[in-house]
Amino acid sequence: DIQMTQSPSTLSASVGDRVTITCRASQSISSWLAWYQQKPGKAPKLLIYKASSLESGVPSRFSGSGSGTEFTLTISSLQPDDFATYYCQQYNSYPWEFGQGTKVEIK
Amino acid sequence: QVTLRESGPALVKPTQTLTLTCTFSGFSLSTSGMCVSWIRQPPGKALEWLALIDWDDDKYYSTSLKTRLTISKDTSKNQVVLTMTNMDPVDTATYYCARSPRLLHMDVWGKGTTVTVSS
Repeated sequence: DIQMTQSPSTLSASVGDRVTITCRASQSISSWLAWYQQKPGKAPKLLIYKASSLESGVPSRFSGSGSGTEFTLTISSLQPDDFATYYCQQYNSYPWEFGQGTKVEIK
Repeated sequence: QVTLRESGPALVKPTQTLTLTCTFSGFSLSTSGMCVSWIRQPPGKALEWLALIDWDDDKYYSTSLKTRLTISKDTSKNQVVLTMTNMDPVDTATYYCARSPRLLHMDVWGKGTTVTVSS
């Protein structure tokens, strides 16, 4: 099985900050990676798919990059609505796997 | 508009079998490439992918849970059913279903249903 490791687990940042979250796969997954945002008590929401494609309706301050085993999610200017937990997920091969999540907190 | 809704018991006893139903609208699971997954999230913990069924009735499972899981579909009712046997308190979680078009990322999720395992 492919293991997904996110870092950091928690990130403290201020509104307006540039934020980067890293996701590493235990073996190559090409570009078959998605990023989701989850707020407390809510279902996850798709932000990025195929490593760098922005889902329709998602603000352009979110971007994704990477291929192979290393990926990043960047929020260019953190907004109050962005404080949440973010998960990466590989869909290169079964079983699909999520990272352990990165919680973005208010500094 | 694509929607998915999970339903099932809120409380099950240890050793019982859990049956969850995902009822969806706005797409057909007979469309080539379409699939539906189940994912769960224990309180305060990370998301865990459980199983997937595709338009061709192929099924895939979490390695750690595959002996306990069965996924099935009823295309005519627009439903996907997940059964999990031998429930344990550690299986207490919110269970989600989600759609994947073209065997890819999960683009639309249900709101989730909370299941507590307790005697």
